[in-house]
Amino acid sequence: QSVLTQPPSVSAAPGQKVTISCSGSSSNIGNNYVSWYQQLPGTAPKLLIYDNNKRPSGIPDRFSGSKSGTSATLGITGLQTGDEADYYCGTWDSSLRWRVFGGGTKLTVL
Amino acid sequence: QLQLQESGPGLVKPWETLSLTCSVSGGSISSSSSYWGWIRQPPGKGLEWIGNIYYSGGTYYSPSLKSRVTISVDTSKNQFSLRLTSVTAADTAVYYCARFPQEIDAFDIWGQGTVVTISS
Repeated sequence: QSVLTQPPSVSAAPGQKVTISCSGSSSNIGNNYVSWYQQLPGTAPKLLIYDNNKRPSGIPDRFSGSKSGTSATLGITGLQTGDEADYYCGTWDSSLRWRVFGGGTKLTVL
Repeated sequence: QLQLQESGPGLVKPWETLSLTCSVSGGSISSSSSYWGWIRQPPGKGLEWIGNIYYSGGTYYSPSLKSRVTISVDTSKNQFSLRLTSVTAADTAVYYCARFPQEIDAFDIWGQGTVVTISS
């Protein structure tokens, strides 16, 4: 059972938009930065979003992040088949004093 | 461009010690003023943070693994290492090393990962 809760799966058609939620508490998301990672099949995770809503260089603006209270959201627009992957949120938990990840969300582009 | 590469035995016997090394290339492990971390992923499951180390040696570990984990850094070899003692089948996973820069709150560069199986 992960400290951060993500939906196990989401799906959408090519060209459409999808959002992935990450729910936590005041000890983690509520008072710390959130990051998002994309893990393509058989590969290492890749940083998509850091500090809630910032994109590293090279990450297209189709990917966006936001945070409100104790929840965070990853948005992906203009879906492509190459976006099919597992997506993880992550943050620091000040109460448990450890870095935590969500359980992951599998994105299917139909 | 900075790259990380994990290395170590792919098979470890139960109750023995798992030892992995992460080699950093394309930059100095001490000049970037970053933390360096280990994360693992059991088969078919999500990511689990193990711990981080600062280039000067300061560490912090996952409370659930703290009693069994040691992370160390060797700046002369541009490497940092993971030791996990008394392993069981539950420690079977892909182990990743990654960089955690001070200026952002995220792991921005990851190694490709190494599979470690705990079995007799």
